[in-house]
Amino acid sequence: AQSVAQPEDQVNVAEGNPLTVKCTYSVSGNPYLFWYVQYPNRGLQFLLKYITGDNLVKGSYGFEAEFNKSQTSFHLKKPSALVSDSALYFCAVRDGGYQKVTFGTGTKLQVIP
Amino acid sequence: EAGVTQFPSHSVIEKGQTVTLRCDPISGHDNLYWYRRVMGKEIKFLLHFVKESKQDESGMPNNRFLAERTGGTYSTLKVQPAELEDSGVYFCASSRGASGAYEQYFGPGTRLTVT
Repeated sequence: AQSVAQPEDQVNVAEGNPLTVKCTYSVSGNPYLFWYVQYPNRGLQFLLKYITGDNLVKGSYGFEAEFNKSQTSFHLKKPSALVSDSALYFCAVRDGGYQKVTFGTGTKLQVIP
Repeated sequence: EAGVTQFPSHSVIEKGQTVTLRCDPISGHDNLYWYRRVMGKEIKFLLHFVKESKQDESGMPNNRFLAERTGGTYSTLKVQPAELEDSGVYFCASSRGASGAYEQYFGPGTRLTVT
């Protein structure tokens, strides 16, 4: 069975500082990894994905994520946080060719002005 | 292109009543998914349609939930009769391809409150 863990319910960071939102996963096959963001009263928006290739994936709004196979992690990062980045972030995984996506519980990111 | 739309955005019903949620996927997306997020918990998969066929319905909680996608376009999710534990946000998503590499595009969700 596949699973995703987001160990932090909330992350607080000062505006302009780098941010990291953590995600670890467990799959039996090859992982397809995704990050989504949910702004208040909005649906989930796709940020980025890792399928294969370069371990550092760049996505929307200046976000990037690093795939680490040995640590089974896919942490979301941004060099300089903006107040507008404040939202709920979900990590998700698919096991190889299976269609079912498993999500983490979400991490609330609060960027403090 | 228009995104995934869901209706209603919010529904409040009493225990024992029936509610029907609707999802309109992105045009041309054969794959349609339903998910649910109960307050503070993870987003859980309910089921997956490919066109009008149910590909995977392993996440459906019980037989009070019925999903349909007649004609392979929009989908409905009916809860009958609703129970308190059915409260949560129901998301619909669609994707273009069947491969696991395709990202899913989500609608804004329907917040269901059962009192």
